[in-house]
Amino acid sequence: QVHLVQSGAEVKKPGASVKVSCKASGYTFTGYFVHWVRQAPGQGLEWMGWINPNSGGTDYAQKFQGRVTVTRDTSITTVYMELSRLRSDDTAVYFCARARLGFSDDAFDIWGQGTMVSVSS
Amino acid sequence: QPVLTQPPSASASLGASVKLTCTLSSGHSTYAIAWHQQQPEKGPRYLMKLNSDGSHDKGDGIPDRFSGSKSGAERYLTISSLHSEDEADYYCQTWGAGAVVFGGGTKLTVL
Repeated sequence: QVHLVQSGAEVKKPGASVKVSCKASGYTFTGYFVHWVRQAPGQGLEWMGWINPNSGGTDYAQKFQGRVTVTRDTSITTVYMELSRLRSDDTAVYFCARARLGFSDDAFDIWGQGTMVSVSS
Repeated sequence: QPVLTQPPSASASLGASVKLTCTLSSGHSTYAIAWHQQQPEKGPRYLMKLNSDGSHDKGDGIPDRFSGSKSGAERYLTISSLHSEDEADYYCQTWGAGAVVFGGGTKLTVL
């Protein structure tokens, strides 16, 4: 079965960085782009960016440029999302999601379970 | 890039049908979209991709009660024979030029 399993909840202070992992299983890791999406408490879904696990190429939403870095380790089929210079409004659940059919631009057909990141002094 | 507009809420009775709407912004009426369901305290679940020709590709295990359709710039998700577990938030998603966009979501209440 196809799964994306994320790391556990994090509590961080403002100004710190957080790194969330997303382990893929059940499919060819390098064949599908992985995206990151976040959801602030009581709010909707907000796209952050993607990585091509085959090439390592990335693209980020303008809002997060300069603060987000997505990487991957093909040896352990894991994608990472690091967000720096955290602020209180970065408090959210962070999801990884797989795009269908091997393109960056496509529907997300598999979602991780989410990782709660809380930013508070 | 496209903008997706969804009504914030909808309601229907147990066993009835409901049609949820997602509207693409001007100039983007041919875009494909996807529908996702988010039950309370859970992550999103992929329901289907609604292609520009009106066909749809459903996710594994999605019941036949869920179907998609389109008319012009509007995209629809119809849920028939509503169950209590269908009470959830429903999001539409589209993509283009390397970016991904979500609608604001519709909260469906099953009465």
